[in-house]
Amino acid sequence: EAGVAQSPRYKIIEKRQSVAFWCNPISGHATLYWYQQILGQGPKLLIQFQNNGVVDDSQLPKDRFSAERLKGVDSTLKIQPAKLEDSAVYLCASSFDRGTFYGYTFGSGTRLTVV
Amino acid sequence: ELKVEQNPLFLSMQEGKNYTIYCNYSTTSDRLYWYRQDPGKSLESLFVLLSNGAVKQEGRLMASLDTKARLSTLHITAAVHDLSATYFCAVVNFGNEKLTFGTGTRLTIIP
Repeated sequence: EAGVAQSPRYKIIEKRQSVAFWCNPISGHATLYWYQQILGQGPKLLIQFQNNGVVDDSQLPKDRFSAERLKGVDSTLKIQPAKLEDSAVYLCASSFDRGTFYGYTFGSGTRLTVV
Repeated sequence: ELKVEQNPLFLSMQEGKNYTIYCNYSTTSDRLYWYRQDPGKSLESLFVLLSNGAVKQEGRLMASLDTKARLSTLHITAAVHDLSATYFCAVVNFGNEKLTFGTGTRLTIIP
């Protein structure tokens, strides 16, 4: 079974620029999450989708972050404009059954550096 | 708001010793997960604990869940160097299905 695919793997941008990350979950996984992991900390949930609907985006800084999941499959996370404190690893995760049995599978992440 | 705390945050132990990592959470949940993360890598699923009293074991790692005490433990038996990593517990909020991670425990096994 293919895992959760994310791209790009690394990205370096200047502050105030924009950036987008892409996630392709495991086929058939209805639930998709975006997490932000700052160095030395645990992952923090940004947004949760169920199919193509948003379940929770309470911790998404909506003035600069946006996310969408078209057709309930792939998802993109965008930051515009980026700030220095956005430097982190952005992790995408998906689940077949809302984690009730098989848990959640994480992608390899996108490491963002804002300079 | 669901809060998840782990202790210790850092753990340095010698090979061959036993130790336990603790995960406490603040609100009702019936699902808890343990993940391992190596430096620069993503999260690897270790255990899925779905009910009170659940116990799972894989090699030198054993995880348990006490939903009444809102406590999970990850026990390491006869540690080996390969177990050096950061370990996270994560808990699903019973109401909104939100998966919240703990602070992580950075484990270093010294030969």
